[in-house]
Amino acid sequence: GDSVTQMEGPVTLSEEAFLTINCTYTATGYPSLFWYVQYPGEGLQLLLKATKADDKGSNKGFEATYRKETTSFHLEKGSVQVSDSAVYFCALSEAGGYNKLIFGAGTRLAVHP
Amino acid sequence: GAGVSQSPSNKVTEKGKDVELRCDPISGHTALYWYRQRLGQGLEFLIYFQGNSAPDKSGLPSDRFSAERTGESVSTLTIQRTQQEDSAVYLCASSLAGGRTGGYTFGSGTRLTVV
Repeated sequence: GDSVTQMEGPVTLSEEAFLTINCTYTATGYPSLFWYVQYPGEGLQLLLKATKADDKGSNKGFEATYRKETTSFHLEKGSVQVSDSAVYFCALSEAGGYNKLIFGAGTRLAVHP
Repeated sequence: GAGVSQSPSNKVTEKGKDVELRCDPISGHTALYWYRQRLGQGLEFLIYFQGNSAPDKSGLPSDRFSAERTGESVSTLTIQRTQQEDSAVYLCASSLAGGRTGGYTFGSGTRLTVV
């Protein structure tokens, strides 16, 4: 079945460092891809999305590009802030079917001043 | 309502008791999903509702778990004879007719602790 694999955390960075969180997927057809973020004590929020190959999703300085050839959707940010500390989840929405989201295990990011 | 509302926010129950968790989706959202998030892990899909019917129940872990939805609105997830391994955060999400392009809106979850 469809699945999502993302890099294990925790990822610890200093403020203004460059961030990459790797995400790869296995799917039949052409899924939509998402990054969700869970800040401490809060619910999941959609961070960005891409619905077809070569699309780039972006929000709050974060970017991810839908790479069909490598089945990847890596999350990047050029300069992280302490407020970016959270757990990041990569997810896909199956092509066809009932569009349920399949999540990766999550990557915890801690940014220190 | 403005967002997805879940209640209770926290529930502590004794092993063997039954619990009901409630989800109020965003008004007009026909698709509703339940997920489970165990400590330090990702989200596991439990069940999907389209309107009041549940075409995908494939994630329910055992027959102790059941869910219903009425009036194309409120949904309840029931866990019978709770076990310690049921301890988790149970998340509800809703979307307009399936969230393939728009994603979902999640509630804040119910943290269930079975002692």
